[in-house]
Amino acid sequence: DVKVTQSSRYLVKRTGEKVFLECVQDMDHENMFWYRQDPGLGLRLIYFSYDVKMKEKGDIPEGYSVSREKKERFSLILESASTNQTSMYLCASSSSTSVSTDTQYFGPGTRLTVL
Amino acid sequence: RKEVEQDPGPFNVPEGATVAFNCTYSNSASQSFFWYRQDCRKEPKLLMSVYSSGNEDGRFTAQLNRASQYISLLIRDSKLSDSATYLCAVNWKGGYNKLIFGAGTRLAVHP
Repeated sequence: DVKVTQSSRYLVKRTGEKVFLECVQDMDHENMFWYRQDPGLGLRLIYFSYDVKMKEKGDIPEGYSVSREKKERFSLILESASTNQTSMYLCASSSSTSVSTDTQYFGPGTRLTVL
Repeated sequence: RKEVEQDPGPFNVPEGATVAFNCTYSNSASQSFFWYRQDCRKEPKLLMSVYSSGNEDGRFTAQLNRASQYISLLIRDSKLSDSATYLCAVNWKGGYNKLIFGAGTRLAVHP
């Protein structure tokens, strides 16, 4: 079974703090994704990465950055947290080489509250 | 027009009912289609992929209509445990392995 883990289930931070969200997958997947999910808006893609040290902006990258130094790990960074970044953050991974390419597997999510 | 659209619901159905959801997509070049299930405050989990010929997994049947650009999910003999939000996802043919997700359809099955 694919396993995607995220460093925290719940996180509370203050406005202006730098926040790190970590995601690790154990299936040697090439592709990794960060989404945020808000009521009524669905899943919105923040950033994704298709290889180590490679990153691409998604639909809402403003206020975020990412890091992928190792294949299994993809980090999302909020440089200066703001209250409008309070959300559920979901990490996902997928393979580029298997027959089930495109199928994404999600971590359990991190519910971030910025006060 | 949104790239992927779903009726948000909720669909309130009694146990044993048959219920169907549709999901429309705008990119005619899309090739991969999926249904995910998401329970309250949990992550989305893959329910099934949708193939051109349609596919069935127990009480669940997924269909693809390329001409009208929509996919459907049919649930027969609904169970209380089917209560969840169902997200459709469509691949984005601009390169990479990127999916566009619908906002989800909420299903509530009652006794």
